[in-house]
Amino acid sequence: DVKVTQSSRYLVKRTGEKVFLECVQDMDHENMFWYRQDPGLGLRLIYFSYDVKMKEKGDIPEGYSVSREKKERFSLILESASTNQTSMYLCASRGWEQRNQPQHFGDGTRLSIL
Amino acid sequence: KNEVEQSPQNLTAQEGEFITINCSYSVGISALHWLQQHPGGGIVSLFMLSSGKKKHGRLIATINIQEKHSSLHITASHPRDSAVYICAVRRFGNEKLTFGTGTRLTIIP
Repeated sequence: DVKVTQSSRYLVKRTGEKVFLECVQDMDHENMFWYRQDPGLGLRLIYFSYDVKMKEKGDIPEGYSVSREKKERFSLILESASTNQTSMYLCASRGWEQRNQPQHFGDGTRLSIL
Repeated sequence: KNEVEQSPQNLTAQEGEFITINCSYSVGISALHWLQQHPGGGIVSLFMLSSGKKKHGRLIATINIQEKHSSLHITASHPRDSAVYICAVRRFGNEKLTFGTGTRLTIIP
């Protein structure tokens, strides 16, 4: 079974801090995704990566950056956290050959910015 | 208007009832996914459809490509079915998924 692991379930940070959210998958998947989920808005794509050191902006990349130095790890970075980045963050992965297969999701990180 | 619309937004039913959740989309797609999210937050995939109908246990998913509409049915509903059900579509030639806002289902014993 594919395992997508997010480093924290709950995280509380202060405005202006640099925040790192980590995601690791164990199935050698090429594609990895970061989403945020807000009530009434559904999941929205922040960034995705289709290979090591490759990244593409999603629908709402402003205020975020990402890092993919190793195939199994995809990090989301909030350069200077703001209160409007309080949200649930979900990581997902999928193999390149499985483009029409489901993405595999982590359990999510509920991030609060005070 | 969102590309993916789900209805209803919230649904409360008694245990044993037949449940239907609807998803309409406005773009050409290569696949439609139904996902389940439990209160803990993790999301699991229930179905991936490109045509017709799929069944898994008490869950049935159908899609009508011409009408751009899909339904998720739950027979003999049970309190453990309480979750948020999310519809997502993959557009032709696109790696990304577009998600509906979800339907919160509560099954009362």
